[in-house]
Amino acid sequence: TQLLEQSPQFLSIQEGENLTVYCNSSSVFSSLQWYRQEPGEGPVLLVTVVTGGEVKKLKRLTFQFGDARKDSSLHITAAQPGDTGLYLCAGPFYNQGGKLIFGQGTELSVKP
Amino acid sequence: DADVTQTPRNRITKTGKRIMLECSQTKGHDRMYWYRQDPGLGLRLIYYSFDVKDINKGEISDGYSVSRQAQAKFSLSLESAIPNQTALYFCATSGRLAGELFFGEGSRLTVL
Repeated sequence: TQLLEQSPQFLSIQEGENLTVYCNSSSVFSSLQWYRQEPGEGPVLLVTVVTGGEVKKLKRLTFQFGDARKDSSLHITAAQPGDTGLYLCAGPFYNQGGKLIFGQGTELSVKP
Repeated sequence: DADVTQTPRNRITKTGKRIMLECSQTKGHDRMYWYRQDPGLGLRLIYYSFDVKDINKGEISDGYSVSRQAQAKFSLSLESAIPNQTALYFCATSGRLAGELFFGEGSRLTVL
């Protein structure tokens, strides 16, 4: 059973479209992180959200942490081919000593 | 040069062979991790180490062992490789518990 469930698992869209990726859990997290992984590389941190209800923007990417700190979303406006990659959410799970656990990932493909 | 370096980047081996994946880092972090990535499963923690004298099992440690030779070096061994250990393996470091993870570029292992 995944403690962090991401949806959708796959997303293929045209350049210029908007999209939202979700990361959900039945557990409360003190924070959630979003990573992006490009082919042949390791994941790279995009953002960390800490406060319930928090919204952070990174250019065309908007990240939101749910009020109850059990879920998060990533919204991309006017997607570009350079946004293509695997998006992973991760959070510290204190039943595992606070180590980060990851969702399954969302594979995004943006076609020109 | 990369802050977290993994060798080899690609390896093909046969069932029953012993394999070692090596990781070195120049970030000066105490915490080092080995993750395994499989399609649709995200990243799963194999082993982690919070300092040179500390080794801990993650969620999928069976069939793997590790060695922390120095603060900067953390190696993962498969004593007798089997086909279902075919995967992409990542080494990561962090400066604090549940903080940002810095990943290497990955080691793709194929066991025939």
